[in-house]
Amino acid sequence: GAGVSQSPSNKVTEKGKDVELRCDPISGHTALYWYRQSLGQGLEFLIYFQGNSAPDKSGLPSDRFSAERTGGSVSTLTIQRTQQEDSAVYLCASSASSVVDYGYTFGSGTRLTVV
Amino acid sequence: DQQVKQNSPSLSVQEGRISILNCDYTNSMFDYFLWYKKYPAEGPTFLISISSIKDKNEDGRFTVFLNKSAKHLSLHIVPSQPGDSAVYFCAASASGSARQLTFGSGTQLTVLP
Repeated sequence: GAGVSQSPSNKVTEKGKDVELRCDPISGHTALYWYRQSLGQGLEFLIYFQGNSAPDKSGLPSDRFSAERTGGSVSTLTIQRTQQEDSAVYLCASSASSVVDYGYTFGSGTRLTVV
Repeated sequence: DQQVKQNSPSLSVQEGRISILNCDYTNSMFDYFLWYKKYPAEGPTFLISISSIKDKNEDGRFTVFLNKSAKHLSLHIVPSQPGDSAVYFCAASASGSARQLTFGSGTQLTVLP
């Protein structure tokens, strides 16, 4: 597609349930990133995929969070046993290379609310 | 520990005047800096960047200034337009790597007509 697509755009879930967030990066982009933005905070790095290399998971806040990228394209971020502090906007981005010369292209995000 | 700080959560400027958005960083390993703009319900979009080997980069109405000794950068928008009203994020990277950008908390710019 023309841009980075994320679904759903909004998700309300009950505490303790699992959620899956989806990201479709720009076609041909080898690098894919997940960030999240909590209320009043900056963007927080979660995980980075580059080609077929092992992902950089250093930003995942707990073992309830996991992500995968199938076929080097679509990525799914899964949050198990959601907690209220997981409420945030989850942003996916992609880029054509691992060099940040022109930044990345972000999707419009998934707003997750845990009630 | 916030490595990238935007101390002004909001800024209001009259249309046609200069907007100056500020950003401070603490990590001396950062050598590439970017500004992103974000409208409500949209993802951030890349605006302008600067490498640490420069102290100024200009793109149309947007200029970014870098003061390495002060670990400070600023974004100037001249002249400001109502369409510039958005949240502006400062971000930094070490070794020009896109692997992980560290973002500030953002500044809401409002340009008044």
